Amino acid sequence: KNQVEQSPQSLIILEGKNCTLQCNYTVSPFSNLRWYKQDTGRGPVSLTIMTFSENTKSNGRYTATLDADTKQSSLHITASQLSDSASYICVVSGETAGNKLTFGGGTRVLVKP
Amino acid sequence: EAGVAQSPRYKIIEKRQSVAFWCNPISGHATLYWYQQILGQGPKLLIQFQNNGVVDDSQLPKDRFSAERLKGVDSTLKIQPAKLEDSAVYLCASSPGTGLSGNTIYFGEGSWLTVV
Repeated sequence: KNQVEQSPQSLIILEGKNCTLQCNYTVSPFSNLRWYKQDTGRGPVSLTIMTFSENTKSNGRYTATLDADTKQSSLHITASQLSDSASYICVVSGETAGNKLTFGGGTRVLVKP
Repeated sequence: EAGVAQSPRYKIIEKRQSVAFWCNPISGHATLYWYQQILGQGPKLLIQFQNNGVVDDSQLPKDRFSAERLKGVDSTLKIQPAKLEDSAVYLCASSPGTGLSGNTIYFGEGSWLTVV
């Protein structure tokens, strides 16, 4: 069964600090991995998309890494800001017709001043 | 570029009533998705359209949920009759590609349903 597990479920960090979110998946065969940011009451917004051959991708202060051998990904937030408070969702796509996506449960991040 | 539009944003209904949600995807996007997101969880796919054909509706509770995408553009999702456990956010999303492509999937702001 294709699964995506994220950790931690939630975390609190102080403004200006860094943090790292983890994503482990069992989706196979693998096509791509996406990280989304979802503000409270809003729809998810894409941060990064990585394919099998990519092991790191950045979007401003967000850096995603991918280890396709161990089926792990991480999202690193540098110099956190209050606006980074949101849920971060890891989504993995398998190589089946229709580009089926498997969503993780998300990590809720709260940045405090 | 206009994003994915959804309406209504919020709806409160009593159990056993019906409700319909509307979605207008980004112009030219072939693939349209409806997701159900229960508070504190990740989205769950209900149905995926490619143009006006259904690609995947394996997790759609067909006894009460229905969806259509006429002319391969707008889509509606209907729930009849609603149950308390249907309280969730219904997200519509679209993407330009299909299959193995790594195209970005764009989400709407969601339609928040509360069943009382």
